Amino acid sequence: GAVVSQHPSWVICKSGTSVKIECRSLDFQATTMFWYRQFPKQSLMLMATSNEGSKATYEQGVEKDKFLINHASLTLSTLTVTSAHPEDSSFYICSARVLSGRTSYEQYFGPGTRLTVT
Amino acid sequence: DAKTTQPNSMESNEEEPVHLPCNHSTISGTDYIHWYRQLPSQGPEYVIHGLTSNVNNRMASLAIAEDRKSSTLILHRATLRDAAVYYCILRDGRGDLAGGSNYKLTFGKGTLLTVNP
Repeated sequence: GAVVSQHPSWVICKSGTSVKIECRSLDFQATTMFWYRQFPKQSLMLMATSNEGSKATYEQGVEKDKFLINHASLTLSTLTVTSAHPEDSSFYICSARVLSGRTSYEQYFGPGTRLTVT
Repeated sequence: DAKTTQPNSMESNEEEPVHLPCNHSTISGTDYIHWYRQLPSQGPEYVIHGLTSNVNNRMASLAIAEDRKSSTLILHRATLRDAAVYYCILRDGRGDLAGGSNYKLTFGKGTLLTVNP
């Protein structure tokens, strides 16, 4: 299957600083990538849909000015958590959509990035 | 979005088959049934998906009821590495022909599968 990587795999930062997480599709081009957040013992929550060359679409309740998404190329999307606070500590997971057959799609996920804000 | 209902947890023994059920009574005709699993501290992994017919791949089989209101993920021989949270997700396929513009996966709570040695 298609491979999606994330960097870093974990990061610790101080409150008030910004953190950038990279998501790359390694062996395919992804016009659409997705960013999820997962708190401990909870399910994944979709934060935003990232489209190459255009603005991201954010889910209701997600602050677009706090979670900056850039999808500048067909293989790279970045999520920047600005002015991070302890409540932003979470597991951030990206995924990329891949065409499967002629009209169906599959979605492949990265390994996740554990963010801890102190 | 159409919702799915899964048991919170299930247990199995190693090398035995596992049948993970999923109810989706409000499924629409254009909804695909997707299964993903997530091992601890990892991103979800694609398992299988289908629309109307039963599907088989190297990981599992997907049995879809004739009325499509339920489905079952079948792991033919469970191993310890199959211990994970399994998510059954309905995905609206209406946007696929238009380039997948409406593509979105919404995760529920899933089923935590424990495999005993």
